[in-house]
Amino acid sequence: DIQLTQSPSFLSASVGDRVTITCRANQDISSYLAWYQQKPGKAPKLLIYAASTLQSGVPSRFSGSGSGTEFTLTVSSLQPEDFATYYCQQLNHYTWTFGQGTKVEIK
Amino acid sequence: QVQLVQSGAEAKKPGASVKVSCQASGYNFIAYYMHWVRQAPGQGLEWVGWINPRTGDTGSAQKFQGRVTMTRDTSINTAYIELSSLRSDDTAIYYCARFESKWELFCFDYWGQGSLVTVSS
Repeated sequence: DIQLTQSPSFLSASVGDRVTITCRANQDISSYLAWYQQKPGKAPKLLIYAASTLQSGVPSRFSGSGSGTEFTLTVSSLQPEDFATYYCQQLNHYTWTFGQGTKVEIK
Repeated sequence: QVQLVQSGAEAKKPGASVKVSCQASGYNFIAYYMHWVRQAPGQGLEWVGWINPRTGDTGSAQKFQGRVTMTRDTSINTAYIELSSLRSDDTAIYYCARFESKWELFCFDYWGQGSLVTVSS
C-alpha cells in the first residue's frame, strides 16, 4: 500500500510568514498528488492537483511542487484565513490515500 | 454550479446498518466517478470507496470490503453508501466527493457537506 507522511504534523506561524509543508510517499507516485485545506466543521477544499496545478479560485500565495516521492505545499505569505488543516492525497494506482494532516495555527 | 448535497445525521446502534445519500446537481452525474471519504472525530481523512455512476461498478478500501455497499440512482442523480455491522469506531462524518480525471489530472474537486453517523448503544 502507498503511505503518505506529512511533516510537520503541527506548525505555528505568524501572518506574513512563508510556510512549507512536506508530503513523502513510500513509493513513486509520479505527479498524482493533490492538496486540500480543511477548516473546522467544513468539508475539505481542493487547493492543488497534479502536484503543482492551482485549482481555479485558489489564491496565488498557495503553490505546490515535487514529483516521485517528495512533495511540498508552500504558502508564500500566510493570511489569517489560512488557519486550517492541510492534507495531501495520492491518486495513483487506483488508490486514494491521504496524509495524516498538518494543522497550521496562526501565532 | 456543481453541488453535492448529502443526507442528514444518523444515530445507530452497534450491529445496525446506515445508508447515506449524496445528490448531485450542476453537472452530468454519470460522467464522473463518486468517491466516499470518512473522518472520525478529531482524526484525519480516510478513503472508503468509489462508484462509477454510469455502470454501477464499485471498489472500496480493503478494510471495508464485505461491509460497504455503494449504489446509485441515475434518475435522481444520487449516490448512496451503506455500511453494515456498524461498530463504535464507524462513528464519523461521511463525505461524498466528485472525482475529476480529465487528462489524468486526478483530484476530488467537489465535496458534499458531510453526513455525521454516530454509532452508540
